Amino acid sequence: QLQLVQSGAEVKKPGSSVKVSCEVSGGTFTTYAISWVRQAPGQGLEWMGGIIPISGTTKYAQNFQGRVTITADVSTSTAYMELSSLRSDDTAVYYCAPSVVRGVDNYNCIDPWGQGTLVTVSS
Amino acid sequence: QSALTQPASVSGSPGQSITISCTGTSSDVGGYNYVSWFQQHPGKAPRLMIYDVSYRPSGVSNRFSGSKSGNTASLTISGLQAEDEADYYCSSYTSTYTRVFGGGTKLTVL
Repeated sequence: QLQLVQSGAEVKKPGSSVKVSCEVSGGTFTTYAISWVRQAPGQGLEWMGGIIPISGTTKYAQNFQGRVTITADVSTSTAYMELSSLRSDDTAVYYCAPSVVRGVDNYNCIDPWGQGTLVTVSS
Repeated sequence: QSALTQPASVSGSPGQSITISCTGTSSDVGGYNYVSWFQQHPGKAPRLMIYDVSYRPSGVSNRFSGSKSGNTASLTISGLQAEDEADYYCSSYTSTYTRVFGGGTKLTVL
């Protein structure tokens, strides 16, 4: 069955960048879109953006425009999320989630999500 | 895109039914039948419970149901069980081709 495995926890300095990976197995990578969702400590879920790997099409939430870059490597069935100019309030668990590509609402987020990657931003 | 509005908390006794609301605008919840609901237990990844307003994925109990009226979507859990205690999030497709989540609702089973 479909499984998403993310890279490990990161500690970063303010102003730096972080790149989180999400490897997909048990399914055909190119039939899905991948969304990235983050959750700050004790806070709710926040959709950041997504990618349709087969086309490379991306979509970003307005709050992250210019600071987030989502890419995918079809040869390794891996999606990546890079967040730059990190601030302390970027400290959060970052999740990847698969989505059904259906023309409309391509970033619908289905199961299973990745296990989450804790990114801590601290000086 | 502003977050969808959910009550911060709801509670109910075992066996009872509860409903969680999710209010948006005509640019998201009201404009499309693409509302999802997620359950999240502490320290765990979210789990999809309802998609496209009222459809349950395979494996989700039929005690969970979804509906929508105007700009407000609702998740109803009937026959409350202790294991239902969790945080619940709604999410909707938006007119800018993105997704937006609600602020989340903490369900307490008394």
